[in-house]
Amino acid sequence: IAGITQAPTSQILAAGRRMTLRCTQDMRHNAMYWYRQDLGLGLRLIHYSNTAGTTGKGEVPDGYSVSRANTDDFPLTLASAVPSQTSVYFCASSAFSGSNTGELFFGEGSRLTVL
Amino acid sequence: AQSVTQPDIHITVSEGASLELRCNYSYGATPYLFWYVQSPGQGLQLLLKYFSGDTLVQGIKGFEAEFKRSQSSFNLRKPSVHWSDAAEYFCAVRSGGGADGLTFGKGTHLIIQP
Repeated sequence: IAGITQAPTSQILAAGRRMTLRCTQDMRHNAMYWYRQDLGLGLRLIHYSNTAGTTGKGEVPDGYSVSRANTDDFPLTLASAVPSQTSVYFCASSAFSGSNTGELFFGEGSRLTVL
Repeated sequence: AQSVTQPDIHITVSEGASLELRCNYSYGATPYLFWYVQSPGQGLQLLLKYFSGDTLVQGIKGFEAEFKRSQSSFNLRKPSVHWSDAAEYFCAVRSGGGADGLTFGKGTHLIIQP
């Protein structure tokens, strides 16, 4: 059972370069999320998508963009990376509905270093 | 807006001793609350959740948590910790109507002494 697959696992990137972090789920969950995790700050929501074709901004969206062309894929793009985007990025999904508890399932993370 | 506070950044416990990790939340309505655990280099795994009913909830790995509305708390407990419990623990509350994910606390790092 794969659940959520993130790629790459780790990446070192020069500042100013474009980078896309990939996320694929096989659970047919309607909602997907991108969080970044930084020491002492916990997890902060970057962007989310409640269903294919729709996206929304989270707490720290600046410098990031997402798309949701289908149910399974939710890529996160850094158009021009900056050192402050050095972080561990987690993709998550949820079978969100009005009666659901909203439990999130997480991928293993992508560690990104911007130099 | 909702928020979650985990007052303890680090906690050190001897193996076999009991554990309590604190979590306080701020949310206007009945909260949906979660505890996740993260082992080094891993993603987050759900330990337990509360959304209604019995205020004492049981989770995996021998953990339990008690929802106390009067104290806006959802503390995590385990009667006897094992060395494998060393990890980062996150408390979270469901945001708004739930569509925009969970709001997490900053985490508590649990260290187990032999």
